[in-house]
Amino acid sequence: QKEVEQNSGPLSVPEGAIASLNCTYSDRGSQSFFWYRQYSGKSPELIMFIYSNGDKEDGRFTAQLNKASQYVSLLIRDSQPSDSATYLCAVSGQAGTALIFGKGTTLSVSS
Amino acid sequence: SQTIHQWPATLVQPVGSPLSLECTVEGTSNPNLYWYRQAAGRGLQLLFYSVGIGQISSEVPQNLSASRPQDRQFILSSKKLLLSDSGFYLCAWSNGDNSPLHFGNGTRLTVT
Repeated sequence: QKEVEQNSGPLSVPEGAIASLNCTYSDRGSQSFFWYRQYSGKSPELIMFIYSNGDKEDGRFTAQLNKASQYVSLLIRDSQPSDSATYLCAVSGQAGTALIFGKGTTLSVSS
Repeated sequence: SQTIHQWPATLVQPVGSPLSLECTVEGTSNPNLYWYRQAAGRGLQLLFYSVGIGQISSEVPQNLSASRPQDRQFILSSKKLLLSDSGFYLCAWSNGDNSPLHFGNGTRLTVT
């Protein structure tokens, strides 16, 4: 059974701080990695994807991938109260299968 | 640009009644299509996915079924709903196995 693990949280950070969200996965063959943000009562929205080892930056968001350690993370710089949401990590599985989602980490940013 | 439409937004149905949820995608051809369910406070559970017309893979044995009558249309059905079928149903599409999923706005189903 392929798995994606995330700490459920809540992760609480003050406004302006860096929020660090982590995810580990079990399938060494996974090639694509995604971060989704889900506000309460809403559907998930894609915020970042990464395919290669290293860092990928997009505005205040940085995705980090370490395939050797089977670890992917999301950093949110200058956290805002509007970043308060559940963040879902998703990892590609074998060919012909759907993405595997973690259960998500709840982030709370206090003003 | 691609868009995904899912309806209805909310639905309240009695136990034992039938269900039909519909999802359509615009602006792309031959997408992979998915149905997920999210129970309250829980993670996303993959129910069905489809790589083409008439091709449906089921992930969870239960009283739900899915059909793909047209390239960009995906339908989730049940003949008789159970209380445990309550949840947030999400349709999604992608361009392939390693591509990101794009979700519809979801249907919140309450079975009473």
